[in-house]
Amino acid sequence: SQQGEEDPQALSIQEGENATMNCSYKTSINNLQWYRQNSGRGLVHLILIRSNEREKHSGRLRVTLDTSKKSSSLLITASRAADTASYFCATVLTGSSNTGKLIFGQGTTLQVKP
Amino acid sequence: EAGVAQSPRYKIIEKRQSVAFWCNPISGHATLYWYQQILGQGPKLLIQFQNNGVVDDSQLPKDRFSAERLKGVDSTLKIQPAKLEDSAVYLCASSLDPSVYYEQYFGPGTRLTVT
Repeated sequence: SQQGEEDPQALSIQEGENATMNCSYKTSINNLQWYRQNSGRGLVHLILIRSNEREKHSGRLRVTLDTSKKSSSLLITASRAADTASYFCATVLTGSSNTGKLIFGQGTTLQVKP
Repeated sequence: EAGVAQSPRYKIIEKRQSVAFWCNPISGHATLYWYQQILGQGPKLLIQFQNNGVVDDSQLPKDRFSAERLKGVDSTLKIQPAKLEDSAVYLCASSLDPSVYYEQYFGPGTRLTVT
């Protein structure tokens, strides 16, 4: 069963605007990761945040994690047409920290209009 | 470095036929994963190998799906016989040491259509 639920399912913005995607999960995690998937490059790892971290940055990406609410958000600033893709959150449960088993959410489809 | 290789990229078969997918992970990656991604959903883990041993196959439909990773390098996933609901993209991924480096590297996938 899917652990994560993402919101919104679809998002359409203009180039230059910011995009925010949210992910909620159900059980205790070791870490949470965000992946991007498009037809050109397949599924690509973007960023990882551990359960004892609250915020991480990587270039135009900012991820937050609130373990008390079991939720995470991904912010893409100054979006570009090339950011058009599906974005997935994936969790590694506390009990799976040795195997690294990922449980993916349903994804958010982002369209950035030029 | 070379990424995860998969073949074929596309496959169309009729129900009840068999099909096999091949994956070659990144050199040195001990852990290999097979995922099934149905249209509109996130990937679902089918099986995880550590070297040539199975770590997790709890979501693999073992009555029709099988996988092997002989010699701990490349891997084959087989479906026999295929059903209509097996239409999906089959993704292979690898990682260096999943207890330390949690990032997984994915191949381009094989899109299977069962008619």
